[in-house]
Amino acid sequence: EPEVTQTPSHQVTQMGQEVILRCVPISNHLYFYWYRQILGQKVEFLVSFYNNEISEKSEIFDDQFSVERPDGSNFTLKIRSTKLEDSAMYFCASTTVNYNSPLHFGNGTRLTVT
Amino acid sequence: GESVGLHLPTLSVQEGDNSIINCAYSNSASDYFIWYKQESGKGPQFIIDIRSNMDKRQGQRVTVLLNKTVKHLSLQIAATQPGDSAVYFCAETRWGSQGNLIFGKGTKLSVKP
Repeated sequence: EPEVTQTPSHQVTQMGQEVILRCVPISNHLYFYWYRQILGQKVEFLVSFYNNEISEKSEIFDDQFSVERPDGSNFTLKIRSTKLEDSAMYFCASTTVNYNSPLHFGNGTRLTVT
Repeated sequence: GESVGLHLPTLSVQEGDNSIINCAYSNSASDYFIWYKQESGKGPQFIIDIRSNMDKRQGQRVTVLLNKTVKHLSLQIAATQPGDSAVYFCAETRWGSQGNLIFGKGTKLSVKP
């Protein structure tokens, strides 16, 4: 069964550094998402992406965040200058259509900012 | 400062029993609902979904019930197995939301062998 894959599984970085989290969505999917989950808390929406542009973003997704689909397979989340509170699990998800269609999630990247 | 996480409700059941996990959703405009299962160290895994024009939907060993009057969802798992142990989240979304899922707090299901 096709899967959403994310790399790395764990990323440790120092405060103020830039990080790029990588995702390979399921190949025939058209809509892509990033969510995050702070330890022990709810999964929270960050951003949705379709047709090479952001469709919707949450208040969390400020100017420090950006997304990109640099080629036909990868979907990346960049945090320009990490803060301690960015420490969380970051999940990539994808789906075929954006309405009444379940999102398929990857296993996440655990980001630790020290 | 110290970060305090949510204290998840926990449901503990005996293997073979049926489990019922409840969820209250927030937005009366939501029209699509999904149950996800999350095992430790993994991403949310789709279990079953339901649209607002239905009040019940069945899958393999799972049933979702939707009560729009009181904004309540439930997930029923028949003959619960140790492999069902996980955190279960309900999620809601509404038409035109571009896949912006709003997740609930989660319930931890523990299955005793």
